Amino acid sequence: AQSVTQLGSHVSVSEGALVLLRCNYSSSVPPYLFWYVQYPNQGLQLLLKYTTGATLVKGINGFEAEFKKSETSFHLTKPSAHMSDAAEYFCAVSVRRTGNQFYFGTGTSLTVIP
Amino acid sequence: KAGVTQTPRYLIKTRGQQVTLSCSPISGHRSVSWYQQTPGQGLQFLFEYFSETQRNKGNFPGRFSGRQFSNSRSEMNVSTLELGDSALYLCASSLARTQQFFGPGTRLTVL
Repeated sequence: AQSVTQLGSHVSVSEGALVLLRCNYSSSVPPYLFWYVQYPNQGLQLLLKYTTGATLVKGINGFEAEFKKSETSFHLTKPSAHMSDAAEYFCAVSVRRTGNQFYFGTGTSLTVIP
Repeated sequence: KAGVTQTPRYLIKTRGQQVTLSCSPISGHRSVSWYQQTPGQGLQFLFEYFSETQRNKGNFPGRFSGRQFSNSRSEMNVSTLELGDSALYLCASSLARTQQFFGPGTRLTVL
């Protein structure tokens, strides 16, 4: 079975500080991994994804994530938080079985303190 | 290309009523998935349709149903609404498992 665990439902950082949002997954087959961001009253927007190849992936708005197979992790980082980063972040895994089923974590709400 | 569109954006219904939500995927995408998003529960998968066939189904009661048309547009229906059905319903379309594109959602409030 596939699942995604996001550690910390709420994370607060100061403006300019490092952002670290944690995601661990379980999958019986090699997964595709994603981070999405959701602003209030909007749908989800893709930040970055890992499919194959380089394990360090860079996304939009200065975010990046590293796929660590040995740790089954895909943590999201950004060196310097900006006020506009305040949003809900979701980690997701995709596994091909009989369709394109995506599994999402429960989300992490990021607050940026000025 | 136009993104995923969902209509209506907001709905208010009363308990016992039924509701139909619509989703138009990105042109060329044949897979459409539906999710229910509530505070504390995150995104819960409802079902996925591909070429007019339900391919995957989440753990929701039979009151939740869907369908997909030949032009890939999809609808989901919830019958006999309950207060707990109040949520943001998100639709996503995809070409393959490498990415899902989300619509803005339909906010359903059940009174």
